[in-house]
Amino acid sequence: QSVLTQPPSASGPPGQRVTISCSGSTSNIGSNSVTWYQQLPGMAPKLLIYNNNKWPSGVPDRFSGSKSGTSASLAISGLQSEDEADYYCAAWDDNLSAWVFGGGTKLTVL
Amino acid sequence: QVQLQQSGPGLVKPSQTLSLTCAIFGDSVSSNNAAWNWIRRSPSRGLEWLGRTYYRSQWYSDYAASVKGRINIHADISTDQLSLQLNSVTPEDTAVYYCARELSFYRGGWSTFFDYWGQGTQVTVSS
Repeated sequence: QSVLTQPPSASGPPGQRVTISCSGSTSNIGSNSVTWYQQLPGMAPKLLIYNNNKWPSGVPDRFSGSKSGTSASLAISGLQSEDEADYYCAAWDDNLSAWVFGGGTKLTVL
Repeated sequence: QVQLQQSGPGLVKPSQTLSLTCAIFGDSVSSNNAAWNWIRRSPSRGLEWLGRTYYRSQWYSDYAASVKGRINIHADISTDQLSLQLNSVTPEDTAVYYCARELSFYRGGWSTFFDYWGQGTQVTVSS
């Protein structure tokens, strides 16, 4: 049982837009910024979004993040087959003094 | 360009100690704007943060409650290597283990994230 809650799966056809939610509490998402990671099969996680909605260099703007209160979401527009991966949200938790992750969402491009 | 190169055994017997090393290239383990973390991924738990160490005029460490008391993360300044020791392992500790750099900087507000990761080490706990 992860501290942050994500749907286990999401899907959409190529070209579609999908969103992945991440729900937390006042001690994590409510107090700190959210980061998102993409993990392709057999690879290490890759930073996708930081500070709720900022892109690291090299990440296409098809990926966007937002945060409101104790929830955050990742939106992927113009779905491509190479977007099939697991997506994780993360935030620092002030009560636990620890990084906490969501359980991960497996994205399938139909 | 920062690179993290992991090494260590892939099979550990129950009750023994899991030991992994992460060699850091392109940065220093004593960097003032980085922390060095261990994170694992298992089918049942997804990504799980284990702990970190960092230097800010002195060394600090933080550990996840789930492994506190069994874990030690050490940074070797002379070799720029990070190590993980997890004692008294059980099959539940079977996972892919990653080292990761946590970068922090201030630009109109603090930004903190894991930007570089090791390649991952599959560790199986089994007799």
